[in-house]
Amino acid sequence: GNSVTQMEGPVTLSEEAFLTINCTYTATGYPSLFWYVQYPGEGLQLLLKATKADDKGSNKGFEATYRKETTSFHLEKGSVQVSDSAVYFCALSDDGTASKLTFGTGTRLQVTL
Amino acid sequence: GAGVSQSPSNKVTEKGKDVELRCDPISGHTALYWYRQRLGQGLEFLIYFQGNSAPDKSGLPSDRFSAERTGESVSTLTIQRTQQEDSAVYLCASGRLTFYGYTFGSGTRLTVV
Repeated sequence: GNSVTQMEGPVTLSEEAFLTINCTYTATGYPSLFWYVQYPGEGLQLLLKATKADDKGSNKGFEATYRKETTSFHLEKGSVQVSDSAVYFCALSDDGTASKLTFGTGTRLQVTL
Repeated sequence: GAGVSQSPSNKVTEKGKDVELRCDPISGHTALYWYRQRLGQGLEFLIYFQGNSAPDKSGLPSDRFSAERTGESVSTLTIQRTQQEDSAVYLCASGRLTFYGYTFGSGTRLTVV
């Protein structure tokens, strides 16, 4: 079955540091890939997505590239801010239709001044 | 409405009691999903509705769990004879197609004592 593996947290960075959160997946077919973010006390929000190989999703300075050859979708940001402190979830869907998302376990990011 | 609304936001119940959790999706969203998030863990898929039918119930953990949906509107998740291991945040999400991303509600925090 489908699965998503994320690097374990928490990840603690100083403001303006470079961020990478690793995500790899196992899936049949051609899944769509997503990053969701959960800020403290809030619900999950879609951060970015990519629907086919070599697509790059980007939003709010975050980027992730769909790498089929390495089955990865690593999240990166060049310069993190304190306001980026949250839990980040990598997810995949079986295909582009309304199928369920399979989530990773989440990675907590803490950014300090 | 503007977002996915869940009620109640918090529920404390005694072991053995039944509980009903409600989700109001975004108007026009045909797909509706229930997930469970236990403390410190990732999101666990429970059930998916397309309209008022449930093509995927594979995540319901036992026959104590059931869900229904009226048309393309409100859904209720019912847990009968609650157990302490049912304590979690229950999240509802709605969407049109997966690759547009779901919109999540803020969740219902269920505590079974």
